[in-house]
Amino acid sequence: DIVMTQSPDSLAVSLGERATINCESSQSVLYNGNNKNYLAWYQQKPGQPPKLLIYWASTRESGVPDRFSGSESGTHFTLTISSLQAEDVAVYYCQQYYSSPPWTFGQGTRVEIK
Amino acid sequence: EERLVESGGGLVKPGESLRLSCEASGFTFSEAWMSWVRQAPGKGLEWVGRIKSKALGEMTHYAAPVKGRFTISRDDSENTLYLQMNSLKTDDTAMYYCTTERGRTGGAFDIWGQGTIVTVSS
Repeated sequence: DIVMTQSPDSLAVSLGERATINCESSQSVLYNGNNKNYLAWYQQKPGQPPKLLIYWASTRESGVPDRFSGSESGTHFTLTISSLQAEDVAVYYCQQYYSSPPWTFGQGTRVEIK
Repeated sequence: EERLVESGGGLVKPGESLRLSCEASGFTFSEAWMSWVRQAPGKGLEWVGRIKSKALGEMTHYAAPVKGRFTISRDDSENTLYLQMNSLKTDDTAMYYCTTERGRTGGAFDIWGQGTIVTVSS
């Protein structure tokens, strides 16, 4: 199974500052047929289900603010919140959906306001 | 509006069974591949299993911890997904979400229900 490892486990960022969350996959999730990484990012606020933010590592889901962006470098992936807002306080998860199940998630990163 | 609504959760004893349902609306359910994802109290997300569309034989896959105990099925005429859970263990205590895997995202989970809580305790 592909293991997804996020870092840090939690971070506190001042309002308006940048938040960066990392995710490492234990093996490539790049499909050579379309040159896309099968990596998604989700946001989960307390008491709510997860919400899809980013898919294919860097494609923003419709309606997601453009302060959220995803990037990739090999098996290393990053979710960046360019200017943290109060409503961004949540736990963020990466997930791989490459090839065939089992699909696996990172352990989550909690983002708080400093 | 695209929507998923889970039901059927509750309190059961170890070894007992439970069937969860997930009713879909606002999108073409018959074409969607569907997954169940669970979240134990205070923990992260864990994929449980998936069912493909009828056109692809309703093929299923399961996570190792539930294989042989859980069964996913679907009724496209009722736009409903099911999760039959047998031989439940205390470790199965979690919020259970149904979610969609659709082609436009390559399979990322784009629609989520609000979840239904399953508690396994003696």
